[in-house]
Amino acid sequence: DSGVTQTPKHLITATGQRVTLRCSPRSGDLSVYWYQQSLDQGLQFLIHYYNGEERAKGNILERFSAQQFPDLHSELNLSSLELGDSALYFCASSVGGGYGANVLTFGAGSRLTVL
Amino acid sequence: DQQVKQNSPSLSVQEGRISILNCDYTNSMFDYFLWYKKYPAEGPTFLISISSIKDKNEDGRFTVFLNKSAKHLSLHIVPSQPGDSAVYFCAASSTNSGNTPLVFGKGTRLSVIA
Repeated sequence: DSGVTQTPKHLITATGQRVTLRCSPRSGDLSVYWYQQSLDQGLQFLIHYYNGEERAKGNILERFSAQQFPDLHSELNLSSLELGDSALYFCASSVGGGYGANVLTFGAGSRLTVL
Repeated sequence: DQQVKQNSPSLSVQEGRISILNCDYTNSMFDYFLWYKKYPAEGPTFLISISSIKDKNEDGRFTVFLNKSAKHLSLHIVPSQPGDSAVYFCAASSTNSGNTPLVFGKGTRLSVIA
């Protein structure tokens, strides 16, 4: 158990729908990162929050949004879902805000299937 | 544009032999490199890292080598064990360019055959 908790583990939904993925970081970690892993792809960085504030944005679609709450948990909202959004979504956390050498601790991922 | 490349999707090695996983990067600003291991149905777990001020870092059976001029790093596992069978991701970041996220390669699936 890495200490990073992601729910749900699996999610099946239809095109056009909206889903929310949740992440609780490891105790003491202030940063939360979201990554997407599609079939045969590496981990693609989506977005990073540090202590409630957005710190960096990657190739995140406009249909996707995220936030980090005062208790440091984070939610990734995916709307108007398309077949191509089917992927593993990983949350990771770290103590620091992203500066310097940074080791991320990953959760087990949420597998989204869009039918 | 893939900044971190792992050109071998898969690798098979016999138990007890050396496993060598390779990674190339294109961004000369990268100065911190990590290897993660991923088992099925689990998230990636940190394995070993190296800063650009070093050319080698060792941790037990795992050694990472960095060749900055070639923009190449490799992970050596000696001796390889069946439990090492997993997908290995190379990742890189720049510690001097503000807040930059880890950039990952596509991974190499290692199979250690008993």
